[in-house]
Amino acid sequence: DTGVSQNPRHKITKRGQNVTFRCDPISEHNRLYWYRQTLGQGPEFLTYFQNEAQLEKSRLLSDRFSAERPKGSFSTLEIQRTEQGDSAMYLCASRPRDRPNTEAFFGQGTRLTVV
Amino acid sequence: AQSVTQLDSQVPVFEEAPVELRCNYSSSVSVYLFWYVQYPNQGLQLLLKYLSGSTLVKGINGFEAEFNKSQTSFHLRKPSVHISDTAEYFCAVSDLWFGNEKLTFGTGTRLTIIP
Repeated sequence: DTGVSQNPRHKITKRGQNVTFRCDPISEHNRLYWYRQTLGQGPEFLTYFQNEAQLEKSRLLSDRFSAERPKGSFSTLEIQRTEQGDSAMYLCASRPRDRPNTEAFFGQGTRLTVV
Repeated sequence: AQSVTQLDSQVPVFEEAPVELRCNYSSSVSVYLFWYVQYPNQGLQLLLKYLSGSTLVKGINGFEAEFNKSQTSFHLRKPSVHISDTAEYFCAVSDLWFGNEKLTFGTGTRLTIIP
C-alpha cells in the first residue's frame, strides 16, 4: 500500500493554458474523489467516481473542468483555459467500497499557480 | 445541507501546554465526524474519526476528541503539545451512512506551538 499518489506536485502555468493532473488511488479502492483547497480555506468537494462512473459533480466544477477515470483505476483532472482564480491545491482521495465506515485517504496534492 | 464551523482560525500554544481546537457542525441527519491534520505543502492525514459508539475518540499523536450531540460539537484536545504538532487542523463531517460521499470541511485552525 503506497498511498494515494498525485502528479505533478507543483504546476505553474500561464493564464489561458490547459493543465492536467493525475491521481493514482490506493489499489482496490473503487471510490475516488477530487477536492480543491484555496489559500486559507478548507478543501471543497469537486467530484467523485465509483469505479469508472462519475457519480456526483459539484457546482464548483465549471465547464472548463473535466475529470475522467477511464478504467476505474487512475483519474485525471483537466482544466481548460486556466484563470488566476483556478490557483489552488487540488487534492485527490480514495476509499474502499466494501468498508463503508472507512475514511478517505488523501494524496499530497497538486499545487496549481496560474500567472 | 451540512456545515462545519471552526471558530478559531489561529491558536498559539506554549510547548507542553494543553490545547483545545473547537469544531461545531450542523446537519439534519446523523453524521460521521473527522479531524484531519495538514502539514505545510502536504495532503491531509486523518487524526481521528467518530462513527458511532463511545463519544470520546482517541486518535494518533496523543489527540482525542469528544462528540457532543446536544451541542453539535466535536472538539479536539491534546493534554501536552509538542513542536511537531504545528500544523493546520481541519474538522470535517459527512453523512456517509445515508450514501452521501462527500466530506464538508471547516476553514481550518492553524496551531502554532511556541517553544
